[in-house]
Amino acid sequence: EAGVVQSPRYKIIEKKQPVAFWCNPISGHNTLYWYLQNLGQGPELLIRYENEEAVDDSQLPKDRFSAERLKGVDSTLKIQPAELGDSAVYLCASSLRRRSSNQPQHFGDGTRLSIL
Amino acid sequence: SQKIEQNSEALNIQEGKTATLTCNYTNYSPAYLQWYRQDPGRGPVFLLLIRENEKEKRKERLKVTFDTTLKQSLFHITASQPADSATYLCALDPRSNDYKLSFGAGTTVTVRA
Repeated sequence: EAGVVQSPRYKIIEKKQPVAFWCNPISGHNTLYWYLQNLGQGPELLIRYENEEAVDDSQLPKDRFSAERLKGVDSTLKIQPAELGDSAVYLCASSLRRRSSNQPQHFGDGTRLSIL
Repeated sequence: SQKIEQNSEALNIQEGKTATLTCNYTNYSPAYLQWYRQDPGRGPVFLLLIRENEKEKRKERLKVTFDTTLKQSLFHITASQPADSATYLCALDPRSNDYKLSFGAGTTVTVRA
């Protein structure tokens, strides 16, 4: 099966500019996650979708971050405006629609964001 | 506060030896614990899941133990190979209604030929 696809792989922008990341999950996976990973740290959840509904966005900085998952498949994560501290790897993952903790999560290779 | 702690130091071992990684947690009562492998520039890849009522789980050269009394999981790579060099992450379920995983910072393993 095809894995989780993310684009772009790398993005370099100046601070205060907008940026968007795209994710295509594994076919049939209803649950989609966006994570942020800083160097030397584990992934931290930003938002979780069940189909098109954002069921957990408690860790998403809503003043500058937004996400959408139209039609319950692909998803985009946007930052506007970007700040220096947003430099990180943004990972997308998907899993079957069950209790997340007992299901493997399948990750894409992430977008590495650098803010100048 | 809740914490997940993995070996703070990177692990360097000789090919053929067994690598043992630890994952300690505090203020969690996880029902499940997962282990992932992450290579540089890549996303994490799922390896194993162990339930709270399972003491041990094996998959090929990998073995995971889960001790809810000690609040610890051990991850073993037996007969290690240079291809096993990577960062290994543990992740657990906080047993909340949020149904999300909390990840440790990972332990980097380097296997010397």
